[in-house]
Amino acid sequence: DQQVKQNSPSLSVQEGRISILNCDYTNSMFDYFLWYKKYPAEGPTFLISISSIKDKNEDGRFTVFLNKSAKHLSLHIVPSQPGDSAVYFCAASERFTNFGNEKLTFGTGTRLTIIP
Amino acid sequence: NAGVTQTPKFRVLKTGQSMTLLCAQDMNHEYMYWYRQDPGMGLRLIHYSVGEGTTAKGEVPDGYNVSRLKKQNFLLGLESAAPSQTSVYFCASSYRPGFSTDTQYFGPGTRLTVL
Repeated sequence: DQQVKQNSPSLSVQEGRISILNCDYTNSMFDYFLWYKKYPAEGPTFLISISSIKDKNEDGRFTVFLNKSAKHLSLHIVPSQPGDSAVYFCAASERFTNFGNEKLTFGTGTRLTIIP
Repeated sequence: NAGVTQTPKFRVLKTGQSMTLLCAQDMNHEYMYWYRQDPGMGLRLIHYSVGEGTTAKGEVPDGYNVSRLKKQNFLLGLESAAPSQTSVYFCASSYRPGFSTDTQYFGPGTRLTVL
């Protein structure tokens, strides 16, 4: 049972435009959400996170939106740059509802390609 | 700081052979994790450790064993490799729970092929 879903395996966006990556989850106990970025032959690197008490978190060109009622989060990248081409993983945890539980549940990833 | 390092980077095994993957971190992190990544499956947690001398099962622990004898090292063992264990293995570490800036830091991965 896939508790974190990324239904778009790939996405292509023109340089300078907005990239929107989506993620859905089914476990209502999840209270902390993260986005990781992965380049080929490298490990994932942390990008941005959001706790369930917020509905938006912004860091430079990256903004994550959380809609708890819909169990949906999205990552917006504005403006998109060629270096943003990578695989993006959505992840979730029960960090606060289950204190000490640092286990992450990952989605299957979305490959983002920025077209120059 | 080297961060999280993994040894080896690549390995090919025959069915039934054994091997150990080594993960080392120099960030004084309490928690360490082993994941596997398969096409279309995302990253799945194999085992994890919340401190030196402790280990716990993750989502897909069967066929693997782990040890955390030293805080900075987390070993993943395959006693009798099977083709289904062909995957890319990632190690990660995190400081400790309750810290708002805490996150998991990943190593570069080990690509394992079992023939």
